[in-house]
Amino acid sequence: AQSVTQPDIHITVSEGASLELRCNYSYGATPYLFWYVQSPGQGLQLLLKYFSGDTLVQGIKGFEAEFKRSQSSFNLRKPSVHWSDAAEYFCAVGARSNDYKLSFGAGTTVTVRA
Amino acid sequence: KAGVTQTPRYLIKTRGQQVTLSCSPISGHRSVSWYQQTPGQGLQFLFEYFSETQRNKGNFPGRFSGRQFSNSRSEMNVSTLELGDSALYLCASSPYKDEKLFFGSGTQLSVL
Repeated sequence: AQSVTQPDIHITVSEGASLELRCNYSYGATPYLFWYVQSPGQGLQLLLKYFSGDTLVQGIKGFEAEFKRSQSSFNLRKPSVHWSDAAEYFCAVGARSNDYKLSFGAGTTVTVRA
Repeated sequence: KAGVTQTPRYLIKTRGQQVTLSCSPISGHRSVSWYQQTPGQGLQFLFEYFSETQRNKGNFPGRFSGRQFSNSRSEMNVSTLELGDSALYLCASSPYKDEKLFFGSGTQLSVL
C-alpha cells in the first residue's frame, strides 16, 4: 500500500528566509508525487507534480521539489518565503496502477513571521 | 474555465439524518474524486468516478455512497449521520488520463 509521511507538523519561518518541507513516501513502483497547498477554509491547490524525468521539479509560486529515489523523499523548497505562503502543505502519492487514488500526508502548517 | 464547484458550502445536520453533497467538475473533466478531511484523520479518499462508473473506493462504511451523472456532475450521499462524519468534504476533478487533481473549496458538514 502507498503511504506518505510528513515528519514536521508545524514550521515557523521568517519572511525572506528559505523553507524546506519534508516528505517521505512508501510505494513499491515508481510513484506519482504531488505537493498541494491549502489556505484556511479553502480547497487544495496543486503546487507541482513529479511523474518521471528530471528529478528537480519547478512549480508555481516559486516552489520547487526534488525527487530522491534512494531516500524515498520528495522535499519541497522555496528560497525566500513571503507572508502569503502561510498555509498548510500536503504531500501526496498516487499511481496509475491504483487508478490515481491519492494518499495524502498529514500536512505541515507553515507560519510566516514578519 | 470555471473551477470545481461544490454546493452547499456549509451544512448543519443532526445525528441520524442523511445528506447529499453536490460537485460540478471543470468542464471537460470526466473523473471526479471525493475526499474527507478532518483534523484527526487528515485527507482520506472516499471514491472516484469516471464516466458514471465507480473506479476506486476507499475504506469507508456503506453509509457513504456516490454517483456520477452523464454530464460528469457528481453527488455524494451520507446516510444515518454520525457525529464523526463532521468534516470538510472535498471534491476534485481531473481530465482524462491525467493525474492532476483540481479541488473545489469543499462542503463543511457539521453533525450535531
